[in-house]
Amino acid sequence: GAGVSQSPRYKVAKRGQDVALRCDPISGHVSLFWYQQALGQGPEFLTYFQNEAQLDKSGLPSDRFFAERPEGSVSTLKIQRTQQEDSAVYLCASSGQPLYEQYFGPGTRLTVT
Amino acid sequence: EDQVTQSPEALRLQEGESSSLNCSYTVSGLRGLFWYRQDPGKGPEFLFTLYSAGEEKEKERLKATLTKKESFLHITAPKPEDSATYLCAVQAAGANSKLTFGKGITLSVRP
Repeated sequence: GAGVSQSPRYKVAKRGQDVALRCDPISGHVSLFWYQQALGQGPEFLTYFQNEAQLDKSGLPSDRFFAERPEGSVSTLKIQRTQQEDSAVYLCASSGQPLYEQYFGPGTRLTVT
Repeated sequence: EDQVTQSPEALRLQEGESSSLNCSYTVSGLRGLFWYRQDPGKGPEFLFTLYSAGEEKEKERLKATLTKKESFLHITAPKPEDSATYLCAVQAAGANSKLTFGKGITLSVRP
């Protein structure tokens, strides 16, 4: 079956621009996670949804980062007024139940110039 | 704070040369320990979940084991296609389901 998909795969933004990153989880998966992965590092947690409820946003680095999942399926991660330090790969993962294994998408590579 | 340390950072093996990758962790109540494989330009691919000390799981040339302080990923007779970054992550007991990852181990297998 189809896995987790993310779009766009690559995004180049000028400093100060707003960006929106999309995640389509595996159909029927109630839990959805966003992670940020810097070059040479492991993924770091950003935020977690169970259905449409955002249960944990403790990893969002600043109030410029905002995530939503209004209908409990597709999720969007928005970054306002991008900065160079936002350059990273943004990974989305979903799982069938909150404590089960998480399946990752291919990621969106964001480069802020 | 949950912490995961993986060693070595990089490992080069000859095809057929077996070895082990180490993952040390500290967590406030372990719910599960996860191993993922990540190829360049791709997202992490799920390999194993271990839940309790003494548990072992195998898949092809890979075997994962778990103690109360660390996990090992044993690679038996590796092939060049096993070259990748291997990530270890822990999930703490409680309502939060987030994974805390180590930095990963980059494995290169020469033919």
